[in-house]
Amino acid sequence: GDSVTQMEGPVTLSEEAFLTINCTYTATGYPSLFWYVQYPGEGLQLLLKATKADDKGSNKGFEATYRKETTSFHLEKGSVQVSDSAVYFCALGGGYQKVTFGTGTKLQVIP
Amino acid sequence: SAVISQKPSRDICQRGTSLTIQCQVDSQVTMMFWYRQQPGQSLTLIATANQGSEATYESGFVIDKFPISRPNLTFSTLTVSNMSPEDSSIYLCSVEQENTGELFFGEGSRLTVL
Repeated sequence: GDSVTQMEGPVTLSEEAFLTINCTYTATGYPSLFWYVQYPGEGLQLLLKATKADDKGSNKGFEATYRKETTSFHLEKGSVQVSDSAVYFCALGGGYQKVTFGTGTKLQVIP
Repeated sequence: SAVISQKPSRDICQRGTSLTIQCQVDSQVTMMFWYRQQPGQSLTLIATANQGSEATYESGFVIDKFPISRPNLTFSTLTVSNMSPEDSSIYLCSVEQENTGELFFGEGSRLTVL
């Protein structure tokens, strides 16, 4: 079945540091790929998505590129802020496929 | 997009009791999803609720423990029955933007079972 593997956290960074959260997947077909973010005490919300190979999703300074050759969708941000502290979930799905989530990576940004 | 309201937002329950969580969506949707997020864990799909038919449960979840209602296209309930401390989790209601895989979530219902 489909699966998503994320780097384990927690990840602790200083403000303005570069962020990478790795995500790889296995899937049949050609799913869409997503990053969701969960801020403390809140539900999940979509951060960005990519629907086909080589697409780049971006939002709020975060980016991720759908790499079919490496089955990856790594999340990056050039300069993190304290307000980016949250749990980030990589996911795949779409087109009648059940959405499958990774285990989540907790990011803590310190001033 | 969709706006999803869940209630209660949190509750503390006694072992052996049952609690019903309500989920209201601001638009009509075909499928609604119920997820469980145990402390420090990822999301696990409990079931998919379609209006007018029985919910479809994922492996490891059964209707007797998690009965679901879906009386119309904007509303669903999930009941957690005969609760034990292992049921302490956040329960999330979700809908999908049609066939895209993009999900919208409620804020979740945090249950603590003593």
